[in-house]
Amino acid sequence: QKEVEQDPGPLSVPEGAIVSLNCTYSNSAFQYFMWYRQYSRKGPELLMYTYSSGNKEDGRFTAQVDKSSKYISLFIRDSQPSDSATYLCAMNKAAGNKLTFGGGTRVLVKP
Amino acid sequence: NAGVTQTPKFRILKIGQSMTLQCAQDMNHNYMYWYRQDPGMGLKLIYYSVGAGITDKGEVPNGYNVSRSTTEDFPLRLELAAPSQTSVYFCASTEYQETTNEKLFFGSGTQLSVL
Repeated sequence: QKEVEQDPGPLSVPEGAIVSLNCTYSNSAFQYFMWYRQYSRKGPELLMYTYSSGNKEDGRFTAQVDKSSKYISLFIRDSQPSDSATYLCAMNKAAGNKLTFGGGTRVLVKP
Repeated sequence: NAGVTQTPKFRILKIGQSMTLQCAQDMNHNYMYWYRQDPGMGLKLIYYSVGAGITDKGEVPNGYNVSRSTTEDFPLRLELAAPSQTSVYFCASTEYQETTNEKLFFGSGTQLSVL
């Protein structure tokens, strides 16, 4: 079993819809949670960062962490075609530790 | 501001050949990483370095070697290429501080095929 599980998709939505992404993990030691966005033929870039349980909002993006369920989510409101990318969750046990990545979910936002 | 620069972007190798993937960053970051990305498998850490002269293995180091003689450069060496090393390789860097937000800066990748 992988430490971090993520549905590979693709997830296809119409422009303006809410995109809902999630990851589950098995190691309760994970404390820091991140979402990276990766466009085709590019390197990943950090989108959201959260520590421990709770919600964090940044513009159209909301990240949620539920440590009791070992479950994290990313929501994209008012999705745009430019949001079409692969979204990778990542997490680690302590600041500065090596990150463990999920396999990524490919998202397609159709005009 | 170049960030993290990887060369080459594409390469085809024959089985048994050797090559070096180059990575350079101009942000004076102390931590540098090499990942490989296979379809649907996420990013797997090959090697990492916490500063010049210091390197350590990640989860998939077999068949690879690294060196870190300067803060800026972190080359990855493949000695005897095998088909299993066909992948996209990413170099990343970050400036670790105790309050860091774990923001890795990635290069644009090297797509390697071993035939």
